[in-house]
Amino acid sequence: AQSVSQHNHHVILSEAASLELGCNYSYGGTVNLFWYVQYPGQHLQLLLKYFSGDPLVKGIKGFEAEFIKSKFSFNLRKPSVQWSDTAEYFCAVKSGGSYIPTFGRGTSLIVHP
Amino acid sequence: DVKVTQSSRYLVKRTGEKVFLECVQDMDHENMFWYRQDPGLGLRLIYFSYDVKMKEKGDIPEGYSVSREKKERFSLILESASTNQTSMYLCASSLLQGYDTFGSGTRLTVV
Repeated sequence: AQSVSQHNHHVILSEAASLELGCNYSYGGTVNLFWYVQYPGQHLQLLLKYFSGDPLVKGIKGFEAEFIKSKFSFNLRKPSVQWSDTAEYFCAVKSGGSYIPTFGRGTSLIVHP
Repeated sequence: DVKVTQSSRYLVKRTGEKVFLECVQDMDHENMFWYRQDPGLGLRLIYFSYDVKMKEKGDIPEGYSVSREKKERFSLILESASTNQTSMYLCASSLLQGYDTFGSGTRLTVV
């Protein structure tokens, strides 16, 4: 079965620091990759997605992610975080033609002003 | 924008009650999902539906059932609520292998 690992469970940063959240998945075939964000008290929303093409994907609010097929990774990055980026971040994968996503356990990010 | 609407934001029910959680989406999506979200455990899939009257069990279906009589509506039923079903319940919908759109969630407390 497909699995998704998010290695950082809790991350605490100061404003303007750079961010990288790791995401690794186990499936070796075709994948669709997603990062979702859940701000405090709000619903989960899509941050960015990768289906095909350029492996460097840009999303909303200055986030980007890079798909590295050889490493089964889809890490999320932001060069300079803001206090408003405090949220929980989830990586998800749809693989092998499946409609069902597999989610990582999430990373809680706290940004101190 | 796709909207996924969950009928209740907060619910408090008694042990043994039958509980209905309703979810409606307005963009003709084939796929609909019910998850529960618990701290440290992420999202766990309860049930999935890919068409009207079609359903598949997810990772944690025990104690739950679902109903999809119309394409836009996907209901989660707790046949006999128990305290270990206290959780945040999330509904989502998607088009084929596209991204999922989530509702605001229903925080259910079983006392």
